[in-house]
Amino acid sequence: DIQLTQSPSFLSASVGDRVTITCRASQGISSYLAWYQQKPGKAPKLLIYAASTLQSGVPSRFSGSGSGTEFTLTISSLQPEDFATYYCQQLNSYPFTFGQGTRLEIK
Amino acid sequence: EVQLVESGGGLVKPGGSLRLSCAASGFTFSSYSMNWVRQAPGKGLEWVSSISSSSSYIYYADSVKGRFTISRDNAKNSLYLQMNSLRAEDTAVYYCARDSISTALDYWGQGTLVTVSS
Repeated sequence: DIQLTQSPSFLSASVGDRVTITCRASQGISSYLAWYQQKPGKAPKLLIYAASTLQSGVPSRFSGSGSGTEFTLTISSLQPEDFATYYCQQLNSYPFTFGQGTRLEIK
Repeated sequence: EVQLVESGGGLVKPGGSLRLSCAASGFTFSSYSMNWVRQAPGKGLEWVSSISSSSSYIYYADSVKGRFTISRDNAKNSLYLQMNSLRAEDTAVYYCARDSISTALDYWGQGTLVTVSS
């Protein structure tokens, strides 16, 4: 199975900050990586698919990059509504594993 | 508008069974693979199972293989998860999610809570 490791697991930042979350795969997954945002009590929301393609309706301050084994999610200027937990997921091969999550909190 | 609505969750004793349903609307259900993903209380997301559009291909996480069965009825626009031999560690919110050509899970239901406890 492909393991995904996110770093950091916890991030404290301020409104307006630029933040980057990394997702490393235990083996190459080409660009079969998605990023999700989840708020407490809510279902996950797709942000980025195919490593770098912004899902329709997602603000342009979110961006994704990477291929192979290393991927990043960047939020260029944090907004109050961005404080949430973020997950990466690989869809290169079954089982479709998730990273352990990165909790982004207000400093 | 794409909608996925799960139902069937509840409290069940260890060793018991439960059948979850997911009613889909707003898209051509028979054209998409579908997934179940779960989240234990306070924990991260765990992919559980996938089924292709025509049910030809089915996959399970090792943690549920042999106990859970995914199925679908394209005529009823519905996805199912039959869960047998339930354990305490199966306690979670279960989400159904649409697979956008294996590039992402692009739509999710609101989830249904399954609690396994005596």
